[in-house]
Amino acid sequence: TQLLEQSPQFLSIQEGENLTVYCNSSSVFSSLQWYRQEPGEGPVLLVTVVTGGEVKKLKRLTFQFGDARKDSSLHITAAQPGDTGLYLCAGVETAGGTSYGKLTFGQGTILTVHP
Amino acid sequence: NAGVTQTPKFQVLKTGQSMTLQCAQDMNHEYMSWYRQDPGMGLRLIHYSVGAGITDQGEVPNGYNVSRSTTEDFPLRLLSAAPSQTSVYFCASSYFLPQGGRQETQYFGPGTRLLVL
Repeated sequence: TQLLEQSPQFLSIQEGENLTVYCNSSSVFSSLQWYRQEPGEGPVLLVTVVTGGEVKKLKRLTFQFGDARKDSSLHITAAQPGDTGLYLCAGVETAGGTSYGKLTFGQGTILTVHP
Repeated sequence: NAGVTQTPKFQVLKTGQSMTLQCAQDMNHEYMSWYRQDPGMGLRLIHYSVGAGITDQGEVPNGYNVSRSTTEDFPLRLLSAAPSQTSVYFCASSYFLPQGGRQETQYFGPGTRLLVL
């Protein structure tokens, strides 16, 4: 099983600050997904990055897939209290691109944005 | 559509008891999975299924059994609960469209919180 190391594990910042969450592996992934999870709920998909070097933007969130498809980052600009939550990266290993329901998750980053 | 539903929401078991966690999806998805979530460890795959009648083990399958007799349902069985199985359990479903590229989306249920005493 491939491993995904996510950092930092905890992040506590003030409203308006920028932050970056990292997801690293020694193995290549077919694609990588980022999820956000609220307390008491299941993870919700934010984005999937597929191509090495790909950058996707979702409002104030920027997601990047490393050139070698071994790492990814999530950057949030001007964080707001509504961004508070658990952020998870997850890798798809299979060569065909479909996960067949198998995802490898990082440990997660708990983000708290203070007003 | 209700999406992915899980029952019960909460459960307390004594060591050695058995139970079944229910999962159902109404989106006609091929793939279904069970994960457990523990603090500081993200989600770990227990078992998964690529279609009715087909299941396979994930990263942490010991102590759990699954079956998939229909596309809609994917129950997870604990035959003899142990305190190490105290966790939050999530069921997920997804499908893959080759023409859409690698844009598969996993839909997660709301989770079942299990405490084994």
